[in-house]
Amino acid sequence: DADVTQTPRNRITKTGKRIMLECSQTKGHDRMYWYRQDPGLGLQLIYYSFDVKDINKGEISDGYSVSRQAQAKFSLSLESAIPNQTALYFCATSDPGRGANEQFFGPGTRLTVL
Amino acid sequence: QKEVEQDPGPLSVPEGAIVSLNCTYSNSAFQYFMWYRQYSRKGPELLMYTYSSGNKEDGRFTAQVDKSSKYISLFIRDSQPSDSATYLCAMGGNAGGTSYGKLTFGQGTILTVHP
Repeated sequence: DADVTQTPRNRITKTGKRIMLECSQTKGHDRMYWYRQDPGLGLQLIYYSFDVKDINKGEISDGYSVSRQAQAKFSLSLESAIPNQTALYFCATSDPGRGANEQFFGPGTRLTVL
Repeated sequence: QKEVEQDPGPLSVPEGAIVSLNCTYSNSAFQYFMWYRQYSRKGPELLMYTYSSGNKEDGRFTAQVDKSSKYISLFIRDSQPSDSATYLCAMGGNAGGTSYGKLTFGQGTILTVHP
C-alpha cells in the first residue's frame, strides 16, 4: 500500500540539542506538510511544501526548519530544542490533482524535550 | 479568536446513542469541509469530505455544512465502542485563495462510546 512513514516514532532529547524528524511517502504526492499536535489545540501547521522547490511557513514556524530532499522526502529540524516543543508531530501529503484539500497523515512522532 | 472553533469535550455516550459533533468558523473563504478521525497513538484519517453547503451521508455518518451560519456538524448514528476516538474538523479554500491547499483544524473532540 502507498504510505506515509515517519522516523523516529518516539524520541526523547535534551534542551539545546538539534533533532531531525523524517517523513517519507510512496503515494507520489507533490504536497507535503508538517504539523504539531498538542492536547486541546488540534493540529497546527508548521511548514508546507507544494513541490521540491516550494517551501512555505505555516502558523508556528519559529524554532523549526525544513528540507525537501526529494518529492518523497520532507524533513523537519529543531535547531535547538526547548521543552515547549514537546508534542506529537505529524507529516501529511496531498495530491492537487485529486483534491488539494484531502490530506493523508503519517503515524506521528512523539517528541519529548527534557 | 481562532478561525475554527470546536468543542473539545470530552464526550461520553452509551452504545447506540446518536452523537453530534460541531464546529464553527469565521473565514468565509472556506469551501471544503472535512472530518478526520484519530484513534489513540495513530495519525488522523479522513472520515467525511464535503464541498460547500449541504449534507453528505456515508453509512452511520452524516456531515452537514451550513455556510450561511458558518457551522458544520458530524452526526454518528447507532454509535459503537469502535467509534471512540478524537474527531477533528478541518477546512480549506478554493484555488487562488490563501487557504488553498492548506487545512485549518479544529481543536478536536474526544469521544468515548461505552458498552
